[in-house]
Amino acid sequence: EIVLTQSPATLSLSPGERATLSCRASQSVSSSLAWFQQKPGQAPRLLIYGASNRATGIPARFSGSGSETDFTLTISSLEPEDFAVYYCQQRSDWPRTFGQGTKVEIK
Amino acid sequence: EVQLVESGGGLVKPGGSLRLSCAASGFTFSNAWGFSNAWMSWVRQAPGKGLEWVGLIKSKRDGETIDYVAPVKGRFTISRDDSKNTVYLQMNSLKSDDTAVYYCTTGQAGYQEYWGQGTLVTVSS
Repeated sequence: EIVLTQSPATLSLSPGERATLSCRASQSVSSSLAWFQQKPGQAPRLLIYGASNRATGIPARFSGSGSETDFTLTISSLEPEDFAVYYCQQRSDWPRTFGQGTKVEIK
Repeated sequence: EVQLVESGGGLVKPGGSLRLSCAASGFTFSNAWGFSNAWMSWVRQAPGKGLEWVGLIKSKRDGETIDYVAPVKGRFTISRDDSKNTVYLQMNSLKSDDTAVYYCTTGQAGYQEYWGQGTLVTVSS
């Protein structure tokens, strides 16, 4: 099973600041990685697929990068609605696995 | 727009069974990606915890292969009825660790673009 490790567990930032979230895979997943945003009481929302492609309707302030085992989600300038939990997920191998999540909270 | 609606959650005693349903609508048939071609997955989230993949069922075209995460193998069964645009999750021998919100999800190219609202399963005596 591919283990995804996200860091940091919590990121405390102010609106307008840049957020950088990391996801490291225990073995190569090529570019088969997605990022999701989840707010309390809501289902996850797909942000990025294929490591760097924004999903439909996702603002340009969200960007993804990386390949093989190291991936980054960047939010260039945090908006109030961006404070949430973010998960990475691999679709390279079975079973699909998620990282444990990074909470982006208001400082 | 694809919509997924889960149902069937509730309170069940340890060792009991429950069947969840996920009804899908809004698949566009003008392209190749209709419900019958969609790979359907179940993902769960225990209270206050992260996301866990439960299992996936491929389309008939792709062999209707099913894969499960280790903790549910032998207890959970995923099936689909393409005539009803519905996917099911039969859960047997339920344990307290199975308490979670269960989401139905799908998307093109293997990425989970569409999610239902989730249905809560509580396993408790």
